[in-house]
Amino acid sequence: NAGVTQTPKFRILKIGQSMTLQCAQDMNHNYMYWYRQDPGMGLKLIYYSVGAGITDKGEVPNGYNVSRSTTEDFPLRLELAAPSQTSVYFCASSDNYGYTFGSGTRLTVV
Amino acid sequence: KNEVEQSPQNLTAQEGEFITINCSYSVGISALHWLQQHPGGGIVSLFMLSSGKKKHGRLIATINIQEKHSSLHITASHPRDSAVYICAVRSVQGAQKLVFGQGTRLTINP
Repeated sequence: NAGVTQTPKFRILKIGQSMTLQCAQDMNHNYMYWYRQDPGMGLKLIYYSVGAGITDKGEVPNGYNVSRSTTEDFPLRLELAAPSQTSVYFCASSDNYGYTFGSGTRLTVV
Repeated sequence: KNEVEQSPQNLTAQEGEFITINCSYSVGISALHWLQQHPGGGIVSLFMLSSGKKKHGRLIATINIQEKHSSLHITASHPRDSAVYICAVRSVQGAQKLVFGQGTRLTINP
């Protein structure tokens, strides 16, 4: 089915470890996003991309990096994981007709 | 003050009741989204509105651009409608980024 695929669904990291959250979409959307959702809070934008090779910071970019080498893929890299990065992460893509979200990655940093 | 405010934050109702969730925003927008998130689940886009009214099954969404206000209505509510409903606005300023409300937790009792 067409959509946004995120992996992994769950992950536990130790403080200081690094990992990459994968995101892929097959709808040929130019716009892609990474959001985080903390309990009781609205989603916050981490990074976004308006097309291959173009990325920009959102509201809460510290501690994260992204790349967009192809239209389909938009991985999110966590370097030196911290407990404050415990959250649920959602990747999304959009066009003029709407938004599609991935199923989320629940990350715990201990 | 948040740019997107939803009310109520929590709503409990009996099966069959008519439900209204409200969203007010303070920024210029190009579109407004209503999203649904089931407990522990992903995020599904219900509607994208830029004017007027849209209907899908038992769900109706309206928007008043002049008053910067939108409502989501559920007719003949059912326990499977229990979820968090999120209002999000797409700013007029580029990249289709969304600003999210805090969400409304809806519980429909049988």
